[in-house]
Amino acid sequence: QQPVQSPQAVILREGEDAVINCSSSKALYSVHWYRQKHGEAPVFLMILLKGGEQKGHEKISASFNEKKQQSSLYLTASQLSYSGTYFCGTAVLGGKSTFGDGTTLTVKP
Amino acid sequence: KAGVTQTPRYLIKTRGQQVTLSCSPISGHRSVSWYQQTPGQGLQFLFEYFSETQRNKGNFPGRFSGRQFSNSRSEMNVSTLELGDSALYLCASSLATDNEQFFGPGTRLTVL
Repeated sequence: QQPVQSPQAVILREGEDAVINCSSSKALYSVHWYRQKHGEAPVFLMILLKGGEQKGHEKISASFNEKKQQSSLYLTASQLSYSGTYFCGTAVLGGKSTFGDGTTLTVKP
Repeated sequence: KAGVTQTPRYLIKTRGQQVTLSCSPISGHRSVSWYQQTPGQGLQFLFEYFSETQRNKGNFPGRFSGRQFSNSRSEMNVSTLELGDSALYLCASSLATDNEQFFGPGTRLTVL
């Protein structure tokens, strides 16, 4: 069963913050986040393993709450280059990642 | 280090035909996964190969098959093509099953 992402779409102005959520009904081992720009392949952002560790990548960070089987991606002080569709991929131990439907982020000047 | 390559990049076929897509992973990566991406369905997992063995399989009909060679290169085959098979087929490689995946540019298949 694929994870559920929310919101489906968000529109921001440059410099604003956004949070994208990813929820699963299964006991997760890992959560992956990817960004895909129109016409391009998805690009890996970060992976979070079971343990609730928060990770960061420039102004993009993520957390993983294993008790709630939820992960959140935080984008702070958004830039135009952040526009794209963000996917979370979740996996149980030994299983393969299942992707959510994606969240489309549009950053406007 | 070269990225994941997929060939061909674009393909046009007619219903009933069969097609073979190829994927060359990043050097040293032994896991190759295939995904189908359509506007309304997002990223749908097809199957994963690791060291020439199919590790996981998604919910696709038997018309979709794949294999992996000893050099980790992988092929995906779709037989008896249907209009609904039109999609972007993405291949991703990783060091192991639970590692981050690196995607290729994809093969855009159009079935007429």
